[in-house]
Amino acid sequence: GAGVSQSPSNKVTEKGKDVELRCDPISGHTALYWYRQSLGQGLEFLIYFQGNSAPDKSGLPSDRFSAERTGGSVSTLTIQRTQQEDSAVYLCASSLGRREQFFGPGTRLTVL
Amino acid sequence: AQTVTQSQPEMSVQEAETVTLSCTYDTSESDYYLFWYKQPPSRQMILVIRQEAYKQQNATENRFSVNFQKAAKSFSLKISDSQLGDAAMYFCAYRRTRSNDMRFGAGTRLTVKP
Repeated sequence: GAGVSQSPSNKVTEKGKDVELRCDPISGHTALYWYRQSLGQGLEFLIYFQGNSAPDKSGLPSDRFSAERTGGSVSTLTIQRTQQEDSAVYLCASSLGRREQFFGPGTRLTVL
Repeated sequence: AQTVTQSQPEMSVQEAETVTLSCTYDTSESDYYLFWYKQPPSRQMILVIRQEAYKQQNATENRFSVNFQKAAKSFSLKISDSQLGDAAMYFCAYRRTRSNDMRFGAGTRLTVKP
């Protein structure tokens, strides 16, 4: 079947605006992850969803960041009042439980 | 805290030759997974190889193999018979067996020269 998809591919926004990034995981995958990749850096864990359990939000850098996963499938990462330091590639991954993670192509966010 | 260190920001290899990418990690755990991911310019992260810490045998996937030294907390990736398509960023990653998050190194950019 199809892999993990993310939209939009690129997003340019102005400082202070809110943005929503979408992730469609692989059908049937119970786990969904969000990561942030700043320029020239590795991946930084943000949040993890597993089935109907409460999400692990331990990686969210501030309360401006939030995420939800509706119906155990699609997930939306929301960044409120964006700052220039939020500029990065946001990667989503899904997996069947804690097995191998499959990544989407990412959303490149640029905050002007 | 678990950290992953990749000490080589950039590496270069001639096509058809062999290159080794280094990775060290810091952990007090005994049960964990280690991974190498490849990220080409398309940004798509692709799993290259995975190693379970409890396995003494080094993982191998075709031209890719690892040298896992648990006591030294070292996990290097060897790419044999390098191909132009191997050019990418390579990330080493660590995950505790019962943990949700994966810790990534800063990456090594591999260039393959024709």
